[in-house]
Amino acid sequence: DAGVIQSPRHEVTEMGQEVTLRCKPISGHDYLFWYRQTMMRGLELLIYFNNNVPIDDSGMPEDRFSAKMPNASFSTLKIQPSEPRDSAVYFCASSLGLVGEDTQYFGPGTRLTVL
Amino acid sequence: RKEVEQDPGPFNVPEGATVAFNCTYSNSASQSFFWYRQDCRKEPKLLMSVYSSGNEDGRFTAQLNRASQYISLLIRDSKLSDSATYLCVVLLSSNTGKLIFGQGTTLQVKP
Repeated sequence: DAGVIQSPRHEVTEMGQEVTLRCKPISGHDYLFWYRQTMMRGLELLIYFNNNVPIDDSGMPEDRFSAKMPNASFSTLKIQPSEPRDSAVYFCASSLGLVGEDTQYFGPGTRLTVL
Repeated sequence: RKEVEQDPGPFNVPEGATVAFNCTYSNSASQSFFWYRQDCRKEPKLLMSVYSSGNEDGRFTAQLNRASQYISLLIRDSKLSDSATYLCVVLLSSNTGKLIFGQGTTLQVKP
């Protein structure tokens, strides 16, 4: 089993540029989550989808962030324009069902640096 | 006050030692509890769920005290490979997938 796949693994960009992070969940998983991890704030949930529909985006920091899930095997998290404070590790996770019933499996993360 | 609080450590212990981590959570309505392990520059992975009656998995024992809103993880006979950051995680409601992560406690096991 390939697990959750994320790309790119590392991204270095300049302030103001658009950044797109990609995620392929585990096949058959109905839930997909986007998290951000920083030293200051730890691991925070940004948004999650159920059957490709966004359910809770209350963790998305501001309008510069957007996420889509056009089909069951692909999701993107976009930051436009990017700022230095967006530098973090972004994790995608997927699960068969809701937590409490099924485990969330995390991808390897994308380490984003905004200069 | 943070929703989930942990002592960040680091905890430096010799091989074979017993070490305990504690965690407190602020929302008394929280429904499910977990410990995740995160190795340096890797993704978090579920270590174990935490049940009200307490549960054990090999050298690892997890305890939950709902009255005190307190969760613990005990590692016995620690190994070098136990060196990692341990994240205390709380699920607020079974109707959502929203996990709240603590900042993590770092463990370093020395030979």
